[in-house]
Amino acid sequence: DTGVSQDPRHKITKRGQNVTFRCDPISEHNRLYWYRQTLGQGPEFLTYFQNEAQLEKSRLLSDRFSAERPKGSFSTLEIQRTEQGDSAMYLCASSLGLSGSEKLFFGSGTQLSVL
Amino acid sequence: DAKTTQPTSMDCAEGRAANLPCNHSTISGNEYVYWYRQIHSQGPQYIIHGLKNNETNEMASLIITEDRKSSTLILPHATLRDTAVYYCIVSGNSGYSTLTFGKGTMLLVSP
Repeated sequence: DTGVSQDPRHKITKRGQNVTFRCDPISEHNRLYWYRQTLGQGPEFLTYFQNEAQLEKSRLLSDRFSAERPKGSFSTLEIQRTEQGDSAMYLCASSLGLSGSEKLFFGSGTQLSVL
Repeated sequence: DAKTTQPTSMDCAEGRAANLPCNHSTISGNEYVYWYRQIHSQGPQYIIHGLKNNETNEMASLIITEDRKSSTLILPHATLRDTAVYYCIVSGNSGYSTLTFGKGTMLLVSP
C-alpha cells in the first residue's frame, strides 16, 4: 500500500495560466474525491468519482475547473485561467466505497500559489 | 449532514490522555461520527468512526453519548506527534459521503 499520491506537491503559476494536478489513488479503491483547503479552514469538498463516473460536483467547482478519471484509475484536476483566489491546497482522497464506512485516505496535497 | 461544534484549541501534557469533545445535537439516526486529524503540511488522516457504540482502535477511543448528541475522542497517552488539528465530522450513510470539515480543534501536546 503506497498510499494516495499527488503530483506536483507545489505549483506556482501566474494569473490567467492553466494548471493541472494529478492524483493516483490506492489501487483497489473505486471512489476518488477532490477537496480544496485554504489557510485556517478545513478541507472543502469539490467533486467525487465512482470509478470513472463523476457523480457529484460542489457549487465551488466553477466552470473553470474540470476533473477527469479515465478508466477509473488516476484522476486529474485542471483549473483554467487561474485567479488569485484559486490559491489553496488541493487534496485528493480515495476510498473502498464500503456502504456505511466511508474511510477516506488522503494524499499530501498540491499547494497552488497564483501570483 | 449534521453540523458539529468543537473547541478551537486544547492543550495536553505529553503522556497524559487527551480528551477532545464534539457536539452534534442535530445528528440523525443513520449518521456516523468520524474523526480525522491533520498534521501540519499533510493531508487529513482517518482516526476512528462510530454509529452508536463506543469504538477503540490502535490510535484512539471514541465515546458516543447514549443520545448521540455528543462524543469524545480519547488519545490515551498523547505524544508530541499527536499535535494536530482534529476534525469531528457527522456524515450520513447514503452510499457515499462528502465529508464536511469544520475548523476542528487544534491540539497542542507539550513536553
